Amino acid sequence: DTEVTQTPKHLVMGMTNKKSLKCEQHMGHRAMYWYKQKAKKPPELMFVYSYEKLSINESVPSRFSPECPNSSLLNLHLHALQPEDSALYLCASSQVRMNTEAFFGQGTRLTVV
Amino acid sequence: GESVGLHLPTLSVQEGDNSIINCAYSNSASDYFIWYKQESGKGPQFIIDIRSNMDKRQGQRVTVLLNKTVKHLSLQIAATQPGDSAVYFCAENMREYGNKLVFGAGTILRVKS
Repeated sequence: DTEVTQTPKHLVMGMTNKKSLKCEQHMGHRAMYWYKQKAKKPPELMFVYSYEKLSINESVPSRFSPECPNSSLLNLHLHALQPEDSALYLCASSQVRMNTEAFFGQGTRLTVV
Repeated sequence: GESVGLHLPTLSVQEGDNSIINCAYSNSASDYFIWYKQESGKGPQFIIDIRSNMDKRQGQRVTVLLNKTVKHLSLQIAATQPGDSAVYFCAENMREYGNKLVFGAGTILRVKS
């Protein structure tokens, strides 16, 4: 199984809503990532978890709150988002060791209204 | 056909021709590089990788060249097919920041039948 599964595929939320994005992998990877991708732009790194601990936070606003409850799951909790936060949110996983490819999910298309 | 630059250029090639997609990376300390393909509505898909102790690596119909002197990567696709149409990103692993995979701007490849 080389899949990273993200749910939901699409999400529309209001600026006062609270929602969560979910990501799951069963490849035994202990590094997991959240990326944000705007249209016609490359993915931008947001967070990295290694061994279920947050290792990189790319100065992401606190309205985005990541959580890694176990080695297979990664969540991104969303609260009080702005319309400019609308984007494709991608989850990825990899082995923790250096020089290893990251596998990406299909993404969640988020629209903030 | 050949593309240059980091501003999401478009490369149009005829089916059956060879394609060359270029990428300039930013960090001279980066030691691992990946090419990803992203089709519309999907997450990035691994194509090929290369470590900094190599200058060339070949896969099935694809070749990656690495020039560390000028911090340049290229992806060559032989006998380009309509299914190769996608956005192509190079990504560099910044060793000094742990598992930090940073993407370049991307190139749109369009294959004409």
